[in-house]
Amino acid sequence: NAGVMQNPRHLVRRRGQEARLRCSPMKGHSHVYWYRQLPEEGLKFMVYLQKENIIDESGMPKERFSAEFPKEGPSILRIQQVVRGDSAAYFCASSPQQTNEKLFFGSGTQLSVL
Amino acid sequence: GENVEQHPSTLSVQEGDSAVIKCTYSDSASNYFPWYKQELGKRPQLIIDIRSNVGEKKDQRIAVTLNKTAKHFSLHITETQPEDSAVYFCAASPYTGTASKLTFGTGTRLQVTL
Repeated sequence: NAGVMQNPRHLVRRRGQEARLRCSPMKGHSHVYWYRQLPEEGLKFMVYLQKENIIDESGMPKERFSAEFPKEGPSILRIQQVVRGDSAAYFCASSPQQTNEKLFFGSGTQLSVL
Repeated sequence: GENVEQHPSTLSVQEGDSAVIKCTYSDSASNYFPWYKQELGKRPQLIIDIRSNVGEKKDQRIAVTLNKTAKHFSLHITETQPEDSAVYFCAASPYTGTASKLTFGTGTRLQVTL
């Protein structure tokens, strides 16, 4: 049973470009969470999704950031017009449908904005 | 919302000694408290968790205690080994049964020296 898969592992973008981060949850998991980790800081919740639904996006910046989890395919975190302050590690986590308090994290995407 | 504070931010112990990391939380509705270990460049991994109906839980060299009245919980690692060196995050969550959102502490960097 493969774990949570995130790609790319590293992503370099210039200011103003778009960044797309992908996350495939563990098999059988239908809940996906995105967290952002700045250097020397903890994990900050961004958004919680189930298939085709955004359940809680209270941690998402109001502009430039969006997330989706379509019926088919991975969850996508999209950052438009990136700025240097967006540089961080973005972690995706998934949890099973039956119990949803235990999170299984992916290896993260390190976004660097030049 | 929930606010989780974690201390100390760095901790250095000699191999074989014990390490204690403490966290406090603000939301009395929180009832699930996991601890995650993150090795350098790796994904956060759940090492132990505790629910509010339990005061203490132990798993080999790791134990967690919870004081709901005081709203604090602690991670205890006994007989530390070099491979325990990592960043440890505490978290708190209200388990609603339909969704959960972990609020993480800022992390403790544990260094176990020989």
